[in-house]
Amino acid sequence: TQLLEQSPQFLSIQEGENLTVYCNSSSVFSSLQWYRQEPGEGPVLLVTVVTGGEVKKLKRLTFQFGDARKDSSLHITAAQPGDTGLYLCAGANSGYSTLTFGKGTMLLVSP
Amino acid sequence: IAGITQAPTSQILAAGRRMTLRCTQDMRHNAMYWYRQDLGLGLRLIHYSNTAGTTGKGEVPDGYSVSRANTDDFPLTLASAVPSQTSVYFCASSAQPTGVNSPLHFGNGTRLTVT
Repeated sequence: TQLLEQSPQFLSIQEGENLTVYCNSSSVFSSLQWYRQEPGEGPVLLVTVVTGGEVKKLKRLTFQFGDARKDSSLHITAAQPGDTGLYLCAGANSGYSTLTFGKGTMLLVSP
Repeated sequence: IAGITQAPTSQILAAGRRMTLRCTQDMRHNAMYWYRQDLGLGLRLIHYSNTAGTTGKGEVPDGYSVSRANTDDFPLTLASAVPSQTSVYFCASSAQPTGVNSPLHFGNGTRLTVT
């Protein structure tokens, strides 16, 4: 069984602050996806990282895949209220036909 | 607008009743999935289908059944609802089964309350 642990579970910050959320596993994944879910909606894909050590940027969001492809991080610079939501990581492997999801990090950014 | 349509958006159901949650996609994706999302437990896979005509069991399949008669539709049936099936249910699809790095597209969910 593959598991993904996300931390922290909940984060409440002020607008303008920086933050990092983590996604860790003892298993190796062929790729890792990050999703954001807003209240009343389904998760929406933000990014997929594939190569160990890969860094991808999406405006103020920076995603990194660990060298060993067992972990990932999401860093948000100068958080805004619009960043509020549940951030989910999900690992994919060629030996499995379904994703492994972490339980998510709930981010609340206050004005 | 292309995507996934789920119906109903919410439902209150008496225990013991039968209920089918509907899911339709117009992206011609091969794979489709049903998840339930519960506070503290995250998204848990109920059933999936890698292609029309095939289905598979996920992490929490008991009490649920699915069918995939065609590419577009993937209904989820609760044969005899129980209160522990109170949850938010999400249908999702991907172009290929997610083991080959194909991201998921989700619907907006069905909020089901079993009383």
